[in-house]
Amino acid sequence: EVQLVQSGAEVKKSGESLKISCKASGYRFSTYWIGWVRQRPGRGLEWLGIIFPFDSDVRYSPPFQGQVTISADKSITTAYLQWRSLKASDTAMYYCVRAEDTGSYYFYGLNVWGQGTTVTVSS
Amino acid sequence: QSVLTQPPSVSGAPGQRVTISCSGSSSNIGANYNVHWYQHVPGTAPKLLISTNTHRPSGVPDRFSGSKSGTSASLAITGLQAEDEGDYYCQSYDSGLGVFGTGTKLTVL
Repeated sequence: EVQLVQSGAEVKKSGESLKISCKASGYRFSTYWIGWVRQRPGRGLEWLGIIFPFDSDVRYSPPFQGQVTISADKSITTAYLQWRSLKASDTAMYYCVRAEDTGSYYFYGLNVWGQGTTVTVSS
Repeated sequence: QSVLTQPPSVSGAPGQRVTISCSGSSSNIGANYNVHWYQHVPGTAPKLLISTNTHRPSGVPDRFSGSKSGTSASLAITGLQAEDEGDYYCQSYDSGLGVFGTGTKLTVL
């Protein structure tokens, strides 16, 4: 069974760093693009960025470029989302997601979703 | 921030048909990027409902259908059921980067 299992909820203070994880299983990790989507309280879904684990090619949505870092470790089939300095506005549910098929991600939808990681940042 | 516009809400009685529109532009839907639709029931992870404009993934009832024309796309739900209540999002790509629609809350009356 294809699965993405995310790390647990985090409560942090503004200015702190954080790295959340997404453990993939049931498929060939290196060959599918894997990304991150967030939902802030009361708001819609936002696409943060996506990575191709085979060669760590990363694409960021402009609002998130420089704000977060997406990475992946092929050896343990895990993707990461990282902040150097959290802000209160980073408070959200974060989902890791996988593209439907191999090849160029922008042809495909996101057919596998993690259970979500809640990040709460207090000021 | 979203470049794809959806109506904030739609509603219908059980058994009725509803449609949800997704309006984009020449840099996203109009640039021939595919449109995908997700159903999000609060408290659960979103679920891919329609892929690549019209394709229903395995397990999605044929009551759900998608279409795309020009710079817009639509999701149609026929035979509305109580369990269809939730939030619906279109998603595409703009200059190669992912974008979601503003989201539509579906209420089954």
